[in-house]
Amino acid sequence: ETGVTQTPRHLVMGMTNKKSLKCEQHLGHNAMYWYKQSAKKPLELMFVYSLEERVENNSVPSRFSPECPNSSHLFLHLHTLQPEDSALYLCASSQAGVAGELFFGEGSRLTVL
Amino acid sequence: GESVGLHLPTLSVQEGDNSIINCAYSNSASDYFIWYKQESGKGPQFIIDIRSNMDKRQGQRVTVLLNKTVKHLSLQIAATQPGDSAVYFCAEKNSGGSNYKLTFGKGTLLTVNP
Repeated sequence: ETGVTQTPRHLVMGMTNKKSLKCEQHLGHNAMYWYKQSAKKPLELMFVYSLEERVENNSVPSRFSPECPNSSHLFLHLHTLQPEDSALYLCASSQAGVAGELFFGEGSRLTVL
Repeated sequence: GESVGLHLPTLSVQEGDNSIINCAYSNSASDYFIWYKQESGKGPQFIIDIRSNMDKRQGQRVTVLLNKTVKHLSLQIAATQPGDSAVYFCAEKNSGGSNYKLTFGKGTLLTVNP
């Protein structure tokens, strides 16, 4: 138990569907991250929120839309995805300004048909 | 910043042996390095970190060595146990870049044979 909970753990969606991934952290951190993990590729940073403000948007396509309503919750809204978007999406948290020791959730495995 | 990588994609060791996992980087401006462990079906877990003003740092059964001359980072695991079987990632942070942006390597799969 890392203190970071992601739901759902598995998601299968068609290219025309709209779905959301949810992340919740119970660590009192104030920075939250979305990473994409694809097979045989390094972890890719997607978005970072610090003190509920988006501070990083790593050239992610607009079909991925993050939302951070408060410092404990982070969402990733998905719409009109492509099959190449199939991957493990990892949420992480840290203290603001301290990116080294990230606490990751177990990930949401996304399959786009 | 995109050149963090690992020399060996897989490493197989006997239980009780020491393991060494290597990582090369090319960004001389990187000032902070981290090792993560990812077990099957789980998210990455922080193991140990080191700043560029240090050459060595020890934790419980793990040691990280940093050679800035050749831009090389290694993770040593003493008395490797079956529970150490996982993928190990190195990551770096650019001193001139965002505090939030880590560049990860591709990972090395460590398999511990009983």
